[in-house]
Amino acid sequence: EDQVTQSPEALRLQEGESSSLNCSYTVSGLRGLFWYRQDPGKGPEFLFTLYSAGEEKEKERLKATLTKKESFLHITAPKPEDSATYLCAVLYNAGNMLTFGGGTRLMVKP
Amino acid sequence: NAGVTQTPKFQVLKTGQSMTLQCAQDMNHEYMSWYRQDPGMGLRLIHYSVGAGITDQGEVPNGYNVSRSTTEDFPLRLLSAAPSQTSVYFCASTGQGFYGYTFGSGTRLTVV
Repeated sequence: EDQVTQSPEALRLQEGESSSLNCSYTVSGLRGLFWYRQDPGKGPEFLFTLYSAGEEKEKERLKATLTKKESFLHITAPKPEDSATYLCAVLYNAGNMLTFGGGTRLMVKP
Repeated sequence: NAGVTQTPKFQVLKTGQSMTLQCAQDMNHEYMSWYRQDPGMGLRLIHYSVGAGITDQGEVPNGYNVSRSTTEDFPLRLLSAAPSQTSVYFCASTGQGFYGYTFGSGTRLTVV
């Protein structure tokens, strides 16, 4: 069965404590892996798209990487304003719409 | 501002009532979709469209109808609301390159 699984479900960090969020996928014909940030009461906000294994993208304190089985979102020296739910999603085979994982809720304490 | 606009932001319905959730985008995107987000279930695809006049079902289509008469608009109709349809609904759109889907701010629907 095609699946997208994110771990952990929740992560508490101290400000400045770097960590990584995981998104593993079991789909065939991956065409793109997407990372989104979602704040409470708002819609998902696009962060990155990764298209092939080995690709990396960075934005401020965030860095996304992709292998053939999973993607990591590395957060370096996080700040309280990085607190949010981070979602990953995949586009695969001939499909045109995203399949989402369950998300990781990140809480960064000052 | 360019983007995806959803209305209303909040709605309370009684069981059996019908309503339409509106979604409009001004980016000339071909692809539009509706998701619902429930605690512990993540975002699940309801219906989608690959262009004006073309729609298809997603993972959880029962109880919902869509149509796409223009590129800009993609309304979602609840035919006879049920408590199981209590959720937050998001509309999203993207262009041919699938570089990144743009989401609206959501409609929080409660069915009592």
